Amino acid sequence: EQQVQQSPASLVLQEAENAELQCSFSIFTNQVQWFYQRPGGRLVSLLYNPSGTKQSGRLTSTTVIKERRSSLHISSSQITDSGTYLCATLGANTGKLTFGHGTILRVHP
Amino acid sequence: DPKIIQKPKYLVAVTGSEKILICEQYLGHNAMYWYRQSAKKPLEFMFSYSYQKLMDNQTASSRFQPQSSKKNHLDLQITALKPDDSATYFCASSQTGVNQDTQYFGPGTRLLVL
Repeated sequence: EQQVQQSPASLVLQEAENAELQCSFSIFTNQVQWFYQRPGGRLVSLLYNPSGTKQSGRLTSTTVIKERRSSLHISSSQITDSGTYLCATLGANTGKLTFGHGTILRVHP
Repeated sequence: DPKIIQKPKYLVAVTGSEKILICEQYLGHNAMYWYRQSAKKPLEFMFSYSYQKLMDNQTASSRFQPQSSKKNHLDLQITALKPDDSATYFCASSQTGVNQDTQYFGPGTRLLVL
């Protein structure tokens, strides 16, 4: 059973459109971290969100721990936003991140 | 993050051999981690270390052994390599190993076992 589920699996946008990525988790956590994985594999930390809403530039993450879900909103998408977006939950006291399969985003001109 | 160095970038090994994957971080962090990413699988947690002590081990096999010679080093020794070990191995670090810390990832070592 996949403990962290992400949807959609893939998403295609026209440049300047907005995107909403979803993450749900079946395991207990008190923190969700969103990552961007570049084609070629490098992971970049985007937002870490214990709860509520956090914003960084065009990215907004909203986490509702009690409902075991988080979302990542990307506004005014750009071609360079293309890649894989990963949601991960942080385990208690061990630092273990449990990842979802990711959402593959493609932004076209 | 350019301050987390993993060496080598690519590695080809033969079945049954032994390899060491190197990880160094220059972020001043006290916790370090190893993750593995195989084809069609999500990133999987392997180990976590805090202040050079093992916090968590989620690998089923003793063929995978982390080695921490310095606070900012956490190498991964893999013995008796198998083709199933082919994956990209990522090292990460955070300020401490407790909840609340953002983890930062290195560029990965891509291992191919023939």
